[in-house]
Amino acid sequence: GAVVSQHPSWVICKSGTSVKIECRSLDFQATTMFWYRQFPKQSLMLMATSNEGSKATYEQGVEKDKFLINHASLTLSTLTVTSAHPEDSSFYICSARDDLRKNTGELFFGEGSRLTVL
Amino acid sequence: KQEVTQIPAALSVPEGENLVLNCSFTDSAIYNLQWFRQDPGKGLTSLLLIQSSQREQTSGRLNASLDKSSGRSTLYIAASQPGDSATYLCRVYGQNFVFGPGTRLSVLP
Repeated sequence: GAVVSQHPSWVICKSGTSVKIECRSLDFQATTMFWYRQFPKQSLMLMATSNEGSKATYEQGVEKDKFLINHASLTLSTLTVTSAHPEDSSFYICSARDDLRKNTGELFFGEGSRLTVL
Repeated sequence: KQEVTQIPAALSVPEGENLVLNCSFTDSAIYNLQWFRQDPGKGLTSLLLIQSSQREQTSGRLNASLDKSSGRSTLYIAASQPGDSATYLCRVYGQNFVFGPGTRLSVLP
């Protein structure tokens, strides 16, 4: 149980285009999901907290208009990198918290999505 | 502001050794601590979750301890195997979720 699926696992796009990454909780409901960015050999950097039915909460320094987050249902959050540039190339990972086990504070992670912007 | 550090940053050991990975945090007001492993280019796999009221958790060859008052957690790996090679991350949950930088482990056959 507690599987989080991310899609696509890797994507290559041209500079100036937009890319959408999906994060799905497959066997549980998640009102809250988190989006992270990870640079090579570094730890995860929290970008934003995605809340179902309301606006995402962005961390300081993260551009809201660049990284659009939509949490349309209790099992799906999407991250759209708009007008992508080479510096947006990175590994993006999502995590989710099981609503029924929210008090445990346990996080479940997707497999990550590697974005390369040419 | 919570800060999480992990020592060592990298570790290389021969197969079969028992080893200890360390995680330290500055604010002891936490709800729990979670250990993950991350394989190259992959997401995070949860290993152990320790609630603040617990002292340790065990799963197979893994044992994690938590000393909240001193701001430390250790992950003990018994009889290490090449398949244990990965980056190990600890994550504390207090005001928010904060990750350590990780320890890159290589177990040599």
